[in-house]
Amino acid sequence: GAGVSQSPSNKVTEKGKDVELRCDPISGHTALYWYRQSLGQGLEFLIYFQGNSAPDKSGLPSDRFSAERTGGSVSTLTIQRTQQEDSAVYLCASRGTGGNYEQYFGPGTRLTVT
Amino acid sequence: KQEVTQIPAALSVPEGENLVLNCSFTDSAIYNLQWFRQDPGKGLTSLLLIQSSQREQTSGRLNASLDKSSGRSTLYIAASQPGDSATYLCAVNSNAGNMLTFGGGTRLMVKP
Repeated sequence: GAGVSQSPSNKVTEKGKDVELRCDPISGHTALYWYRQSLGQGLEFLIYFQGNSAPDKSGLPSDRFSAERTGGSVSTLTIQRTQQEDSAVYLCASRGTGGNYEQYFGPGTRLTVT
Repeated sequence: KQEVTQIPAALSVPEGENLVLNCSFTDSAIYNLQWFRQDPGKGLTSLLLIQSSQREQTSGRLNASLDKSSGRSTLYIAASQPGDSATYLCAVNSNAGNMLTFGGGTRLMVKP
């Protein structure tokens, strides 16, 4: 089937506004990851969902960031009261239940906070 | 905490050359290692995945090796082409199923 999809592909928002980024994983994949890629920091892990387990939120940079995964499929990453340092590309990946734990990435959402 | 380093940060070669990209990691207790390609403004494309029990993986002109005990992996690209120009990222999975830790990438330019 289709790969990982993300929307929107680009988002420009004003400082202080809230934004929602969406990820549709590969059908049947039980694990879903959010990463952030910024110029100064490289590619960093944000949050990880596995089935019905509590998510691993250890990479979220502040309490302005949150994510949910509804019905074990689609995930939404929400950033409240956006700051300029939130400008980055937000990448989503999913993984199936196969033994090699290979992650498949979406095209990303480029967020610009003005 | 796992740290991943890639050297060089940028590389420019003439078309046809064979080249090696390097990746090192600080904690040898890894589950697997992935090499990705990223084109400008695009997401990540998985190139090769090496399990911790494996020494190398090959796909076409690409060969990735893993020396877990020394904390190193290399990506060998044979007969480079301008279409190989991209950023190559190395990522380590230190705990089966959990997050990847990425290196800073090597930006490769292959000149015609």
